[in-house]
Amino acid sequence: QKEVEQDPGPLSVPEGAIVSLNCTYSNSAFQYFMWYRQYSRKGPELLMYTYSSGNKEDGRFTAQVDKSSKYISLFIRDSQPSDSATYLCAMIDQGGSEKLVFGKGTKLTVNP
Amino acid sequence: EADIYQTPRYLVIGTGKKITLECSQTMGHDKMYWYQQDPGMELHLIHYSYGVNSTEKGDLSSESTVSRIRTEHFPLTLESARPSHTSQYLCASRRPGGEAFFGQGTRLTVV
Repeated sequence: QKEVEQDPGPLSVPEGAIVSLNCTYSNSAFQYFMWYRQYSRKGPELLMYTYSSGNKEDGRFTAQVDKSSKYISLFIRDSQPSDSATYLCAMIDQGGSEKLVFGKGTKLTVNP
Repeated sequence: EADIYQTPRYLVIGTGKKITLECSQTMGHDKMYWYQQDPGMELHLIHYSYGVNSTEKGDLSSESTVSRIRTEHFPLTLESARPSHTSQYLCASRRPGGEAFFGQGTRLTVV
């Protein structure tokens, strides 16, 4: 079992829809949580960074962390065709290694 | 805005050649990482560093080597490139307790 599980999709939604992306993890030493957007053949771009359980909002994006359930989510409101990309969750192992561990990524297409 | 740079962006090179991929950051971050990613596939950690003179192998076995002589530089070297090394290589850095930022990547093709 991988330390971070993320549904690879693909996920296809109409423009304006609310998108929900999720990751689960098994290692309780994971303490810092990030969401990245990656366009084809580009480096990942940081969207959201959270530490505590709860919600964090930035424009159309909301990151949610539930440490008790080991579950994180990213919500995209009013999705746009420009949001079409692969979304990666990532977390940092604070158990000693400080590795930056990624999910496999979810490929999202927003249709005009 | 992240200040982390990778050079070259694209490299096509013959089998057997020695190559070094450069990664530099101006944020003073202690922790740096190298990932390998094939098109449409997941990221695989191949090397990471806690700071100067500290390097560790990642989860994916790689024939590449890294060095960390200065905080801002984390170069990756392949002594003898092979077609199986063809991939995208991504470098990232972060400060303790902070988020990680990525460079734009180096797309390597070995012919």
